[in-house]
Amino acid sequence: GEDVEQSLFLSVREGDSSVINCTYTDSSSTYLYWYKQEPGAGLQLLTYIFSNMDMKQDQRLTVLLNKKDKHLSLRIADTQTGDSAIYFCAEPLEGSARQLTFGSGTQLTVLP
Amino acid sequence: GAVVSQHPSRVICKSGTSVKIECRSLDFQATTMFWYRQFPKQSLMLMATSNEGSKATYEQGVEKDKFLINHASLTLSTLTVTSAHPEDSSFYICSAPSDRGGNGYTFGSGTRLTVV
Repeated sequence: GEDVEQSLFLSVREGDSSVINCTYTDSSSTYLYWYKQEPGAGLQLLTYIFSNMDMKQDQRLTVLLNKKDKHLSLRIADTQTGDSAIYFCAEPLEGSARQLTFGSGTQLTVLP
Repeated sequence: GAVVSQHPSRVICKSGTSVKIECRSLDFQATTMFWYRQFPKQSLMLMATSNEGSKATYEQGVEKDKFLINHASLTLSTLTVTSAHPEDSSFYICSAPSDRGGNGYTFGSGTRLTVV
C-alpha cells in the first residue's frame, strides 16, 4: 500500500527559509500535493506539482520533485510567523476514486 | 471558487446522544465526499467515501452503524455520529474533489467534536 512519510517537526527563525521533505511510494501518481493546516482548521491546498515537472515556484513557495528517489520537498522562502502550521504532503491512492493518502504532517514552528 | 462549508465547527455533546455534521459544496457539485478523522497531532484517517445517491463506502474498522453518512444531493453530505462516546471525540473533516487545478480537493474547515 501507499506510504507517505514526513519528518514530524521543523523549527526555523523568522526570515529564514524552511524546507519540508516528503517521500512517497506510488511512482504512478499524476499529481503530488502540499496542504497547510492551521490550528483547529481544515486543510488548505498550498500548491501541487504535476509528475512530469521537476520544480514549480509560486511566490514564496518552491516545490521540488525527484521522481527517481520519490522525494518531494516544499521550500518556503522568508518564512513568517503566519507560516507556523502543519504541512501535509499527499498523493492520490492508486486505483481509488480520487482518494488522497496523506503524510503524517510536519509541524513548522517559526521563531521570532 | 470551490468552497466546502462545514458545520458546526465545534460541538460538545453528552454521551449517548447523536451529532450531525454537514458539509455543503457552495459553488460546485460534489458527487463524492471524503470523510476524515484526525486525532491530535496525527494525520488524517479516511473513514468513508460518500457518493451522491448511493451508499457510502466505509474503510476497514469503521462502524457504519455508528457513523451514518448521507449524500442526498450534489451539494450536501452529512455525517451523523450516533450514540456518541468519549472515544469518538476527535476532529472530523470532509473533502470533495473540486478540480481546482491538478485534480485538486477542497476541504471543509473541520468539526471539533467533544463527547462528555
